[in-house]
Amino acid sequence: GDSVTQMEGPVTLSEEAFLTINCTYTATGYPSLFWYVQYPGEGLQLLLKATKADDKGSNKGFEATYRKETTSFHLEKGSVQVSDSAVYFCALSPLGGGGADGLTFGKGTHLIIQP
Amino acid sequence: GAGVSQSPSNKVTEKGKDVELRCDPISGHTALYWYRQRLGQGLEFLIYFQGNSAPDKSGLPSDRFSAERTGESVSTLTIQRTQQEDSAVYLCASSFRGWDTYEQYFGPGTRLTVT
Repeated sequence: GDSVTQMEGPVTLSEEAFLTINCTYTATGYPSLFWYVQYPGEGLQLLLKATKADDKGSNKGFEATYRKETTSFHLEKGSVQVSDSAVYFCALSPLGGGGADGLTFGKGTHLIIQP
Repeated sequence: GAGVSQSPSNKVTEKGKDVELRCDPISGHTALYWYRQRLGQGLEFLIYFQGNSAPDKSGLPSDRFSAERTGESVSTLTIQRTQQEDSAVYLCASSFRGWDTYEQYFGPGTRLTVT
């Protein structure tokens, strides 16, 4: 079945450091890919998405590119802030419908940014 | 506007008892999803409703789990004869099936503890 693997946390960085959180997936067909974020005490929020190969999703300085050849969707940010501290989840929707059906999630990566 | 709401926010129950968890989706959202997040794990998809029908029940872990939805409104997830392994955060999400995007909006979750 479909699966998503993301790097284990916690990941601890200093403010203004470069961030990469790796995510790889296994799926048949052409899934849509997502990054969700959960800030402390809040619900899951969609951070960015990409619905086809080579698409780049971006939001709040974060970016991720849908790489079909490496089945990856790594999350990057050039300069992190303390306010980026949260748990980040990579997810896929199997039917390529942009999230119409049940999502398959990774286990989440806890990011801690120190001032 | 109002987001997805869930109740109760916390529920402690004894093993063997039945529990009902409630989800109020965003008004106008036709699709509704239930997920489960066990400690240290990613989110597991449980069930998806389109209107009040459930085309995908594949994620329900056992016949002790059932869900209903009234029209395009409230949904309840019922767990009968609860077991300790049912302890988790149960998340509900809703989405509007637009032509190109089906972003899922998540509620804050119900934390279920089975003692």
